[in-house]
Amino acid sequence: AQKITQTQPGMFVQEKEAVTLDCTYDTSDPSYGLFWYKQPSSGEMIFLIYQGSYDQQNATEGRYSLNFQKARKSANLVISASQLGDSAMYFCATRGSGGSNYKLTFGKGTLLTVNP
Amino acid sequence: DSGVTQTPKHLITATGQRVTLRCSPRSGDLSVYWYQQSLDQGLQFLIQYYNGEERAKGNILERFSAQQFPDLHSELNLSSLELGDSALYFCASSPPSGGDRRTQYFGPGTRLTVL
Repeated sequence: AQKITQTQPGMFVQEKEAVTLDCTYDTSDPSYGLFWYKQPSSGEMIFLIYQGSYDQQNATEGRYSLNFQKARKSANLVISASQLGDSAMYFCATRGSGGSNYKLTFGKGTLLTVNP
Repeated sequence: DSGVTQTPKHLITATGQRVTLRCSPRSGDLSVYWYQQSLDQGLQFLIQYYNGEERAKGNILERFSAQQFPDLHSELNLSSLELGDSALYFCASSPPSGGDRRTQYFGPGTRLTVL
């Protein structure tokens, strides 16, 4: 079974500053993936970044980077140079590699507000 | 735009009714996943299909059923609707290769309101 914990229900950041959204996970799978999705107020789920459990380097995608600490079972999302359009819900998710079930297990999310 | 399409975008119906939600995956993707997002339960996996076959089931109610057709589009059928079924229903698809790196891309969702 997999579990994702996002302990920050809400976060505030000033425009142009960096912000870290926390995510810890629990899984029994030897190989797994970690994902971050963004959900703006319009409702769609937008894929941001992926980290594989055996990846040697932390994933980066533009202004998004993932601070992956395997021993601590954490996969924090770092957004650099925040923009007003970054205001949204952010979900951390994990997917195991057990059999053919590749379902995503999500955390409860963090609502990020970027202030001008 | 993820390339996953879902119709309708909004659906308002009454308790006891039956509805069908439709999803077309991204071109080339064989897997389709259905998720339900509600305020009290968060985002929950319902069911997965791969190339027409059911692969995994989550906490899907017996009143709900799904199928994936030969052209790979999928439908989620919800029957005997209750107020608690009001939620945002997402479809996602993922490519057939890439191992653990297979990312799920989500459609825009169908917002179901049961009155």
